[in-house]
Amino acid sequence: DSGVTQTPKHLITATGQRVTLRCSPRSGDLSVYWYQQSLDQGLQFLIQYYNGEERAKGNILERFSAQQFPDLHSELNLSSLELGDSALYFCASSAGSLRGRSGELFFGEGSRLTVL
Amino acid sequence: DQQVKQNSPSLSVQEGRISILNCDYTNSMFDYFLWYKKYPAEGPTFLISISSIKDKNEDGRFTVFLNKSAKHLSLHIVPSQPGDSAVYFCAARTYNNNDMRFGAGTRLTVKP
Repeated sequence: DSGVTQTPKHLITATGQRVTLRCSPRSGDLSVYWYQQSLDQGLQFLIQYYNGEERAKGNILERFSAQQFPDLHSELNLSSLELGDSALYFCASSAGSLRGRSGELFFGEGSRLTVL
Repeated sequence: DQQVKQNSPSLSVQEGRISILNCDYTNSMFDYFLWYKKYPAEGPTFLISISSIKDKNEDGRFTVFLNKSAKHLSLHIVPSQPGDSAVYFCAARTYNNNDMRFGAGTRLTVKP
């Protein structure tokens, strides 16, 4: 158990819809990362938050947005869903900024999104 | 852009033999390299890392080698065990950046 909790574990929805994925980081971790893993693809970095502020941005579509709340949990919002958005979405957390450290991330079990 | 590449989607080895997983990267600014292991229905878990100032880091049966001039790293597992069967992701980051880039993963199967 990594200590990172993601909900829901599975989600099936239709094209054009909007969904919200939720992540609770490990106790005390200030940084939250979101990754997307499509079929047979690697982990694509989407976005990172540190203590409520956006710190790094990867290949995140404009239809997607995220935020980190004062209690440090994070939500990833996916809107105008397309078939190609079907993927496993992982949340990870770390103690703080990775700056100057090797940067071990602790991952949740992922949220599997299926868009029909 | 794929800054971290794992060109072998799968690898099969016999129990007790050596497993060698390879990873190439294109960004010369990467300073830290990590390997993560992922079992089905679980999130990736950290396995071992190496800083760019080293060329080898060992932890029990796992050793990571870094060849900066070739922009290549490899993970050696000796001896391989059936419980090592998983998907292995190579990851890299720069010293001052907070994002971490992952490869596509290599599925290792260790046969008894």
